[in-house]
Amino acid sequence: GEQVEQRPPHLSVREGDSAFITCTYTDPNSYYFFWYKQEPGASLQLLMKVFSSTEINEGQGFTVLLNKKDKRLSLNLTAAHPGDSAAYFCAVSAPGNTRKLIFGLGTTLQVQP
Amino acid sequence: EAAVTQSPRSKVAVTGGKVTLSCHQTNNHDYMYWYRQDTGHGLRLIHYSYVADSTEKGDIPDGYKASRPSQENFSLILELASLSQTAVYFCASSWDSQDTQYFGPGTRLLVL
Repeated sequence: GEQVEQRPPHLSVREGDSAFITCTYTDPNSYYFFWYKQEPGASLQLLMKVFSSTEINEGQGFTVLLNKKDKRLSLNLTAAHPGDSAAYFCAVSAPGNTRKLIFGLGTTLQVQP
Repeated sequence: EAAVTQSPRSKVAVTGGKVTLSCHQTNNHDYMYWYRQDTGHGLRLIHYSYVADSTEKGDIPDGYKASRPSQENFSLILELASLSQTAVYFCASSWDSQDTQYFGPGTRLLVL
């Protein structure tokens, strides 16, 4: 079945720097991709959902790139600030009839002031 | 935005005791899910449901039961709680199996 590998597991950057997180997946038929943010002690909040073949999506302070050829999903937090300190999870929809999302193990980001 | 609530928000249970975690959603979502989160393991799917009165096993169903008495409510039952079931449990709901999942606030369970 689908497997999702997320890197790095921990990331520390200085305020104003970029933070780059990547997920690779195995099933080329996967077609919905998600990034979630989990602040300490809180629940998961959706950052973005993407589904086009190769797409750059810009959110508030971040960019998501989906490269289906390489089976890679990336999240780039541009000009990170302390409020971005959180765990970030990618998720990939499992194709066929499995009816679930496959989550990466997460990246804990710390932004130093 | 989807509204998913969980109760209790935290619980201390004794080994061998019965624990019931409840989830309620108000958005007419057909799909509901139970996950557990442990450090180093991310989110793991325990049970899910796509219609009332029916539940499906996820990736780690052993030691857990689920109940979906209505579209709005989904419970996770630990008949005989064990130390290894100490974790944070999240409920989620979605319109369909491939769509965005909206998460509840989580329940922190400590089994002693």
